[in-house]
Amino acid sequence: ETGVTQTPRHLVMGMTNKKSLKCEQHLGHNAMYWYKQSAKKPLELMFVYNFKEQTENNSVPSRFSPECPNSSHLFLHLHTLQPEDSALYLCASSQDSGSGANVLTFGAGSRLTVL
Amino acid sequence: GQNIDQPTEMTATEGAIVQINCTYQTSGFNGLFWYQQHAGEAPTFLSYNVLDGLEEKGRFSSFLSRSKGYSYLLLKELQMKDSASYLCAVRDSNYQLIWGAGTKLIIKP
Repeated sequence: ETGVTQTPRHLVMGMTNKKSLKCEQHLGHNAMYWYKQSAKKPLELMFVYNFKEQTENNSVPSRFSPECPNSSHLFLHLHTLQPEDSALYLCASSQDSGSGANVLTFGAGSRLTVL
Repeated sequence: GQNIDQPTEMTATEGAIVQINCTYQTSGFNGLFWYQQHAGEAPTFLSYNVLDGLEEKGRFSSFLSRSKGYSYLLLKELQMKDSASYLCAVRDSNYQLIWGAGTKLIIKP
């Protein structure tokens, strides 16, 4: 256990479904991140929240909608996804999103399959 | 554009030494990270280099040359549990992390 918990670990959904991914950390970190990991590709940063404020949105399609109700919880709401959105979605946290070593602590990911 | 290059896959023998290289071209440099990711698990932090030279941590060492845009991760006395993907990431001048695609390391008995 890394201290960052993601649920569900596996999700299969149709293109018309609405689902949510959940991430929870109890490390006292102030920054939380969503990454997309596809096979043999670099990690793609999707969203960053620092002290509950969204500070980064890397041109992510609107079918992905993040929510950060507090510093410990992060959600990714999914709707009308496409098959190419099938991937591993990783949540991470860090002390903050600024300078210094700022090491990321990752969750084990949610494996999403869109049919 | 910004780019991180690392080999896609490497194979090594248990008990041996392996070196995983990472070269980068980024807009500025504010540190280089190595993470380990076992299949189906979370990436975990291994090392952080911001100055040139070698950082040793047990069986793992990481080297950085900023002038050459080059780093390597050295794994000694390989064990079967070292079979994993190793991710190189560089933080650029905007403190954005640029990731490589990862190197899958296969350890054979």
